[in-house]
Amino acid sequence: IQLTQSPSSLSASVGDRVTITCRASQGISSFLAWYQQKPGKAPKLLIYAASTLQRGVPSRFSGSGSGTDFTLTISSLQPEDFATYFCQQLHVFPPTFGGGTKVEI
Amino acid sequence: EVQLVESGGGLVKPGGSLRLSCAASGFSFSSDSMNWVRQAPGKGLEWVSSTSSGSDYIYYADSVKGRFTISRDNAKNSLYLQMDSLRAEDTAVYYCARTPNEDFWSGYWNWGQGTLVTVSS
Repeated sequence: IQLTQSPSSLSASVGDRVTITCRASQGISSFLAWYQQKPGKAPKLLIYAASTLQRGVPSRFSGSGSGTDFTLTISSLQPEDFATYFCQQLHVFPPTFGGGTKVEI
Repeated sequence: EVQLVESGGGLVKPGGSLRLSCAASGFSFSSDSMNWVRQAPGKGLEWVSSTSSGSDYIYYADSVKGRFTISRDNAKNSLYLQMDSLRAEDTAVYYCARTPNEDFWSGYWNWGQGTLVTVSS
């Protein structure tokens, strides 16, 4: 299953609402996770099962979607949110990742 | 606190072998599925391999099947990745990652800091 993220990069300002999309090449129900990765660091799980916020993740992050189309929304971008975001499908093996979206200032 | 610490990375010649280790603490290692994910320099994430808690179910990416072997020692709270017949395209940071219980669908809740593998002559 291929995952296509868009955009591949975006520029935004603190306080902006940011939406990242992830499209699967076939239906994956709600078996989708979102990760945040900062330079030189390991990825961090933000959301799993498409919309379940991982413990400790700020509520400004939210996820939605099912089937083939998914979105990650940051309601009000904070300085610490500038990073690269990846989606991952966990419906079937291999558990593929999207190409990533880099959120820049 | 959950901790995953990888080791064993380094520089190896094409065709060579390397064994990565991941030391786990702060959770019930024997109950959780474990995974290896890699990231080539400046590139995205690529899943490599997964194992269930008791090693009953093991999966590999096509790109490493037949060359890499995942294993675990629940008594030592450790995960391993034996990498043979290494190629230049295997150059990457390798992360171990934890999936709680057998819930492969719930994603990778914790990650190690990664260990760099460089395959070059």
